Amino acid sequence: DTGVSQDPRHKITKRGQNVTFRCDPISEHNRLYWYRQTLGQGPEFLTYFQNEAQLEKSRLLSDRFSAERPKGSFSTLEIQRTEQGDSAMYLCASSPHQTGYTFGSGTRLTVV
Amino acid sequence: AQSVTQLGSHVSVSEGALVLLRCNYSSSVPPYLFWYVQYPNQGLQLLLKYTTGATLVKGINGFEAEFKKSETSFHLTKPSAHMSDAAEYFCAVSDPQGAQKLVFGQGTRLTINP
Repeated sequence: DTGVSQDPRHKITKRGQNVTFRCDPISEHNRLYWYRQTLGQGPEFLTYFQNEAQLEKSRLLSDRFSAERPKGSFSTLEIQRTEQGDSAMYLCASSPHQTGYTFGSGTRLTVV
Repeated sequence: AQSVTQLGSHVSVSEGALVLLRCNYSSSVPPYLFWYVQYPNQGLQLLLKYTTGATLVKGINGFEAEFKKSETSFHLTKPSAHMSDAAEYFCAVSDPQGAQKLVFGQGTRLTINP
């Protein structure tokens, strides 16, 4: 068990480009979450998977954002046509049935 | 809907002094409550959590918090601050049912003076 792994740690992209982030949760955790954290703010919920099913999405998740969790293992978060307002830390977390999130170290996205 | 208010975006204490970080919450159902710590460019690490049972919760690194339903509060304390405690602290609330997504406060930056 090496915890929740996120890749890449940092991503700089030009406005209008597409980016994809990956999250590898703790293997026995069936719940997976994505959060976004902008500078000086607390994290905000984006989406939630139970196994491979995406069960809840925030209104923050515009149609440029898509998340998947094929086979209930790793997850990807894709942002299409990036905007400067997408610059943030994207955090992934996993959890077993009961409470107790484990967060990854995050992917810091900078859109220039 | 749930919400969290952390009183004081920045708290500064001397090394060895008491640390008190304030958190008030709003929830329409009995909540689960959490404190997380975040070091620069890192993810969040769970300090402690309240789900049910004893209202005084002890966590890692000498921190503890008390759930006070009548005051809708979950303040974080540590008797004696260390330099290594300097970080950003987040209080969070979740609904025990459903997705159990976390709603975070704005955070409190803790500075320790030598």
